[in-house]
Amino acid sequence: GEDVEQSLFLSVREGDSSVINCTYTDSSSTYLYWYKQEPGAGLQLLTYIFSNMDMKQDQRLTVLLNKKDKHLSLRIADTQTGDSAIYFCAGSISGGYNKLIFGAGTRLAVHP
Amino acid sequence: DAGVIQSPRHEVTEMGQEVTLRCKPISGHNSLFWYRQTMMRGLELLIYFNNNVPIDDSGMPEDRFSAKMPNASFSTLKIQPSEPRDSAVYFCASTRGRQETQYFGPGTRLLVL
Repeated sequence: GEDVEQSLFLSVREGDSSVINCTYTDSSSTYLYWYKQEPGAGLQLLTYIFSNMDMKQDQRLTVLLNKKDKHLSLRIADTQTGDSAIYFCAGSISGGYNKLIFGAGTRLAVHP
Repeated sequence: DAGVIQSPRHEVTEMGQEVTLRCKPISGHNSLFWYRQTMMRGLELLIYFNNNVPIDDSGMPEDRFSAKMPNASFSTLKIQPSEPRDSAVYFCASTRGRQETQYFGPGTRLLVL
């Protein structure tokens, strides 16, 4: 089945760019997602990319997809303290509905 | 749009008690998911409903867990009897269709003593 892996922790300085990486195993994933979870809150959809795209940009967020290497990344430009959260990568697997398999999450800490 | 609504937000109970978690999906959404989040296992899909019908319950851990969706605007997840290892955050999510993006509720934080 699908397996999604992420590094667990990333620390950046305010104003710098953050890059969160993710690898997945199921090449049939139609969409790949990034969700953000703030302390005590649910998962908030940040962005997603269709599997036939290489890149998607949305304001400060840039998603890069390398299908050959099954590698997905999320770049946050000009990282702010409000970006501190856990970021989850998720792939969708085939089976008649959009079943998501989540990575363990990357905790992003932004310091002054 | 009110988003996905879950209640209660926090629940503390004693081992052996029945626990009922509730979810109201976004209006117009016809797919609903229940997830469990723990430190050890991350986010796990428990069950998926489409048009109020359970489609995939392969993630339900054991018979102590049951879920219902009596109508398009309400679902419950019940644990009876509860055990300490059930302590987790339980999320509900909904989508407009089978292949659409999932929107999550704020979760119910359950602690079983």
